Amino acid sequence: DQQVKQNSPSLSVQEGRISILNCDYTNSMFDYFLWYKKYPAEGPTFLISISSIKDKNEDGRFTVFLNKSAKHLSLHIVPSQPGDSAVYFCAASANFGNEKLTFGTGTRLTIIP
Amino acid sequence: DTEVTQTPKHLVMGMTNKKSLKCEQHMGHRAMYWYKQKAKKPPELMFVYSYEKLSINESVPSRFSPECPNSSLLNLHLHALQPEDSALYLCASSQEDRAGGQYFGPGTRLTVT
Repeated sequence: DQQVKQNSPSLSVQEGRISILNCDYTNSMFDYFLWYKKYPAEGPTFLISISSIKDKNEDGRFTVFLNKSAKHLSLHIVPSQPGDSAVYFCAASANFGNEKLTFGTGTRLTIIP
Repeated sequence: DTEVTQTPKHLVMGMTNKKSLKCEQHMGHRAMYWYKQKAKKPPELMFVYSYEKLSINESVPSRFSPECPNSSLLNLHLHALQPEDSALYLCASSQEDRAGGQYFGPGTRLTVT
C-alpha cells in the first residue's frame, strides 16, 4: 500500500521556467511533509518542509504548497537551473515529527539548457 | 560539520559472511536511522535510534542487527544475508526537535552473492 505517491516518474523543463512536482498521500494522519533531492551515488538532501498548519512555505527558489482537503502537495522551483536535475522525493510523517518518514516513489527532473 | 559519513561505500559479501556497516555524524543529532533503498524505489525505513535507544524496528529480519555505541555512531551488523538483501543502505540523522528534516549519508552499496 503506497501511502505517498508521485505519479510522474519523470519531468523535463526548460532552464529558467517553473518546475512543478506533485505528490499525493492517502493517510490523513500525516501532518508534516518534506521534499528531498537526490543525485546519483549520493544520499537524499533535505530541501524544504511544511507542516499541516500551513498551506505554503517558501525558501528561495523553492516553494511547497499543501492542500489538505485534496491530500496533495507540490514543489515549485522557479527559475529552474541545470543543477536542479535530480530525483525528487516527497516524504510524510505523522505527529509533527519526522522520526518515521514515508517516502514517495520519486520524480526524475531534467532541466534542459 | 553538516555531514553524515558511511563506510564502506561498496560491499560485496557471501551469504555466510558477517560484515558491518558504519555511520557517523558530528552534528549533535540525537536521532539516527537506517534505511534500505532498492533500485528505482523510495527509501524504506528499517530502524530508528533516539538518544541511543532503539525506538523503531520496522519488522526487519534478525539477520540485520543495529547497534548505537554512542550518540555519534550507528552500526548495522549483517549476518547470513540473502541475495535479495542487495540494496543501497542509507544512514540518516536528525535534530532532537525534529525540525529541518533528516540528513542522509551517501549510502553503502551492498551486493550479496
